[in-house]
Amino acid sequence: DGGITQSPKYLFRKEGQNVTLSCEQNLNHDAMYWYRQDPGQGLRLIYYSQIVNDFQKGDIAEGYSVSREKKESFPLTVTSAQKNPTAFYLCASSPRQGGEQYFGPGTRLTVT
Amino acid sequence: LAKTTQPISMDSYEGQEVNITCSHNNIATNDYITWYQQFPSQGPRFIIQGYKTKVTNEVASLFIPADRKSSTLSLPRVSLSDTAVYYCLVAPNDYKLSFGAGTTVTVRA
Repeated sequence: DGGITQSPKYLFRKEGQNVTLSCEQNLNHDAMYWYRQDPGQGLRLIYYSQIVNDFQKGDIAEGYSVSREKKESFPLTVTSAQKNPTAFYLCASSPRQGGEQYFGPGTRLTVT
Repeated sequence: LAKTTQPISMDSYEGQEVNITCSHNNIATNDYITWYQQFPSQGPRFIIQGYKTKVTNEVASLFIPADRKSSTLSLPRVSLSDTAVYYCLVAPNDYKLSFGAGTTVTVRA
């Protein structure tokens, strides 16, 4: 089955630790995205990548980092610099500019 | 990005048609109108996209008047499983999308 996978579904970390969220797609899409969603809120764009080895900051990139070494993978690292990391994180991909975005199941991160 | 305004919530009953109107007074010439659906603890799912007039697919219809300052998503004969948050997005055909708080649609039996 083609699609986007995110792992793990739930993640717990202590404050001060960096944590990396996985996102993999086998849809052969060029573009990939990371969003953050807080309770009762819409999605906010963290980072996006239009092509391998290239990525741009979204609206709330501070405290996050990404890499795009392979077309299929776009991992997100939540660093200790992120003030409020507890949230629902969603990864998406799209085949072309302006195209429909396909979302993964999300990772719920809790930092205490 | 053009700002969008949509109702916070709407209630309906099974079998009824649900119409959600989104206002986007500052829509630009190259902006498209896209709607997504999101269930709790899941990623959003694309529903429909349009530029002008009417677009219909197997799930919904999208009505866009000539001035394009608003759009209406129409869900025919809703069922309990259509209970979700619906997002209206207006953006040029590029990579960046901005999701607002959306409209929470609750379908009752």
